[in-house]
Amino acid sequence: ELQLVESGGGFVQPGRSLRLSCAASGFIFDDFAMHWVRQGPGKGPEWVSGIDWDSKNIGYADSVKGRFTIFRDNAKNSLHLQMNSLRTEDTAFYYCVKDISPEYSTSLGAFDIWGQGTMVTVSS
Amino acid sequence: EIVLTQSPATLSLSPGERATLSCRASQSVSTSVAWYQQKPGQAPRLLIFDASSRATGIPARFSGSGSGTDFTLTISTLEPEDFAVYYCQQRSNWPPLFTFGPGTKVDIK
Repeated sequence: ELQLVESGGGFVQPGRSLRLSCAASGFIFDDFAMHWVRQGPGKGPEWVSGIDWDSKNIGYADSVKGRFTIFRDNAKNSLHLQMNSLRTEDTAFYYCVKDISPEYSTSLGAFDIWGQGTMVTVSS
Repeated sequence: EIVLTQSPATLSLSPGERATLSCRASQSVSTSVAWYQQKPGQAPRLLIFDASSRATGIPARFSGSGSGTDFTLTISTLEPEDFAVYYCQQRSNWPPLFTFGPGTKVDIK
């Protein structure tokens, strides 16, 4: 069974850091680009970041550029998101997402497998 | 920055009826548009990618069309499990950025 399981969410104060992780199983992890997508309470999804299968190309939404870092460990079938300088507007469910393409840079935006999400709450 | 507009915001229909959902981009996005379905408490589910290609396991009653700036998701005959929120998503050319629309809620009339 294709599965993505996120971890690392929680409650954090503004300005602090948090690292999210995603464990992948049931497919050849290093054949596909991966992404993080978040969804605030009562809001639509927002793409956060994407990474090629080989980490060659990486992209970020303007709202997180310079604060968040995406990286992957293909040997451990894992994806990560290092989030620094967190803001209250970063509060959301964070989903680990698999692309049908191997490269984020040529992705059609077809995100076919989603994890169950991990909640990040940024508040003082 | 490309902005997506979805209409209507809410579509009230009965099972068995046809649903037509619209997504308009503020500038041309070729065919790099996908559609997702989301039910309460669940992650979004990919329905359509590349404007008209059905994802694996998606029933044939779901179809997508369009190019340039105007795209449509059609559900030919609504089943009870189709009542949900539908989002369109587009990819910008370079750098690759992905934007979701505000969503259309399809609810039971």
